[in-house]
Amino acid sequence: QQPVQSPQAVILREGEDAVINCSSSKALYSVHWYRQKHGEAPVFLMILLKGGEQKGHEKISASFNEKKQQSSLYLTASQLSYSGTYFCGTEEGSGGSEKLVFGKGTKLTVNP
Amino acid sequence: DGGITQSPKYLFRKEGQNVTLSCEQNLNHDAMYWYRQDPGQGLRLIYYSQIVNDFQKGDIAEGYSVSREKKESFPLTVTSAQKNPTAFYLCASKGVQVGADEQYFGPGTRLTVT
Repeated sequence: QQPVQSPQAVILREGEDAVINCSSSKALYSVHWYRQKHGEAPVFLMILLKGGEQKGHEKISASFNEKKQQSSLYLTASQLSYSGTYFCGTEEGSGGSEKLVFGKGTKLTVNP
Repeated sequence: DGGITQSPKYLFRKEGQNVTLSCEQNLNHDAMYWYRQDPGQGLRLIYYSQIVNDFQKGDIAEGYSVSREKKESFPLTVTSAQKNPTAFYLCASKGVQVGADEQYFGPGTRLTVT
């Protein structure tokens, strides 16, 4: 039930790109992405809804393949501030459950 | 300022004692959530509530209890029946109206039971 995120960790140099994937075995209504810095609360990045609507961050983009039950988060021209652990949270079924199931996270480190 | 507060930030208890973690929000959100976070495990849902006086079990509710007597407050009790209570606990809230997509998280409480 818990979505699978890959890779588990990635190390970049400032300016490089990264892709983080989130895959579920269940039919999904929406995928939410959060970033958490060490010892802090997770912060919302974006949501992707069934049907193609996407809302969120200006500098980070994502895709949602409903048929494959997969989402990918694209971090381009990474900045030092992008470091943290990224979580996808999935809402299953037809929506309205108000409940998310989170993956185990992908730890991103951006070095100068 | 609107937000979610959790207290205390760090909590230490002896094994066998019940302990209650506080979560308060002034965002006028209907839905509130409790998550547990262990290293490498992500966020796991303990309980959630969509309305006052009603709540549902999440994926790991055993050993925990909650109440929702007020819209602003959703305290979590970690009982002595929870076999491995040491963890980082996060509270979150969310509006339920159309377009309210984001869960807002509190700063968390780190519980250590010895």
